[in-house]
Amino acid sequence: GNSVTQMEGPVTLSEEAFLTINCTYTATGYPSLFWYVQYPGEGLQLLLKATKADDKGSNKGFEATYRKETTSFHLEKGSVQVSDSAVYFCALRRNQGGKLIFGQGTELSVKP
Amino acid sequence: DVKVTQSSRYLVKRTGEKVFLECVQDMDHENMFWYRQDPGLGLRLIYFSYDVKMKEKGDIPEGYSVSREKKERFSLILESASTNQTSMYLCASSFRQSSEQYFGPGTRLTVT
Repeated sequence: GNSVTQMEGPVTLSEEAFLTINCTYTATGYPSLFWYVQYPGEGLQLLLKATKADDKGSNKGFEATYRKETTSFHLEKGSVQVSDSAVYFCALRRNQGGKLIFGQGTELSVKP
Repeated sequence: DVKVTQSSRYLVKRTGEKVFLECVQDMDHENMFWYRQDPGLGLRLIYFSYDVKMKEKGDIPEGYSVSREKKERFSLILESASTNQTSMYLCASSFRQSSEQYFGPGTRLTVT
């Protein structure tokens, strides 16, 4: 079946460090891929997305590239800030309908 | 601005009680969703609705029901709350099934 696997957290980084959060997926067909972010006490917000192989999604300094050959969609940021502290969810959308399948989430904590 | 609101941020109920969680969106969206969020499991879809009075089961519908009498409101009902339904519940809405989902802030439900 369809599934998403993320690296386990929590991830703790110092400000201005490089961030990678790994995400791999299993899916039939050609899913769309997403990263959502959940700041403390809030709901999820869409961070970026990619709808086909080799697409790169980017937003707020974050990037992720849809790699079909490795079934991956790793999230990266060159220099994290304290305000990036949040839980990050990788997700895929099945071919039919708008149902999202989420990974387990990765908590990021950035220290000054 | 897009807005999805949930009736309570925190709720404490006793085992066996009937529980109603309310979600309202002000964007005239066709689709609405209920998820539960648990540590290590990410978000899992309980039910969704693509039109007034229409509903479809998600991945974990057991023990839950839903109601959508008006386009803007989607209710999640726990007929007889149990301790294993202690969780964070997130509501979301989208214009089309393939559109971005907008999330509410969540309701943290504790069943004792």
